[in-house]
Amino acid sequence: TQLLEQSPQFLSIQEGENLTVYCNSSSVFSSLQWYRQEPGEGPVLLVTVVTGGEVKKLKRLTFQFGDARKDSSLHITAAQPGDTGLYLCAGADLNYGGSQGNLIFGKGTKLSVKP
Amino acid sequence: EAGVAQSPRYKIIEKRQSVAFWCNPISGHATLYWYQQILGQGPKLLIQFQNNGVVDDSQLPKDRFSAERLKGVDSTLKIQPAKLEDSAVYLCASIAFVSSAGDGELFFGEGSRLTVL
Repeated sequence: TQLLEQSPQFLSIQEGENLTVYCNSSSVFSSLQWYRQEPGEGPVLLVTVVTGGEVKKLKRLTFQFGDARKDSSLHITAAQPGDTGLYLCAGADLNYGGSQGNLIFGKGTKLSVKP
Repeated sequence: EAGVAQSPRYKIIEKRQSVAFWCNPISGHATLYWYQQILGQGPKLLIQFQNNGVVDDSQLPKDRFSAERLKGVDSTLKIQPAKLEDSAVYLCASIAFVSSAGDGELFFGEGSRLTVL
């Protein structure tokens, strides 16, 4: 089973600061997804990256997929209190689960943005 | 469009008791997943259904956990007997788009929080 390591595990910053969260694996993934989860709710998809080296932007969030498709990063510019939550990366393990594969989740980065 | 519905939201039981969780996926979503999320960790896949058939249950502790998806719509996850380490949030998710690259979007329910005393 492939593993995804996320860092840092916890991050507490002030409003307006920038931050980067990392998701690393020794295995190649066909795609990587980033989800955000708020307390008492299920994860919600933010973005999917498929091509090595791909960069996607979602307002103040920038997602990058590594050239070798083994790692990904999430960069938030000028963080706001509304960005607070658990950020999870997930990779599709196509060795299991049929054509869709099974999503393997990292342990997440718990972000707290203070006003 | 209605989201993934789960019930109950919260359940507290004694160890060795049994519990069942119910999930109603988004209409038309053929693939359904059950995940276990222990506090401070990411979701861990328990079982994947495609319509009413099991695609992958390799990580389901079959001595105590069981799941079914009759008629390919609703699903139930049962734990019997429960252990202390089963305390977790049980998330149900469904997906509409099946991709060979694995890049379809999973829609999650709010989860069922289980506390085993």
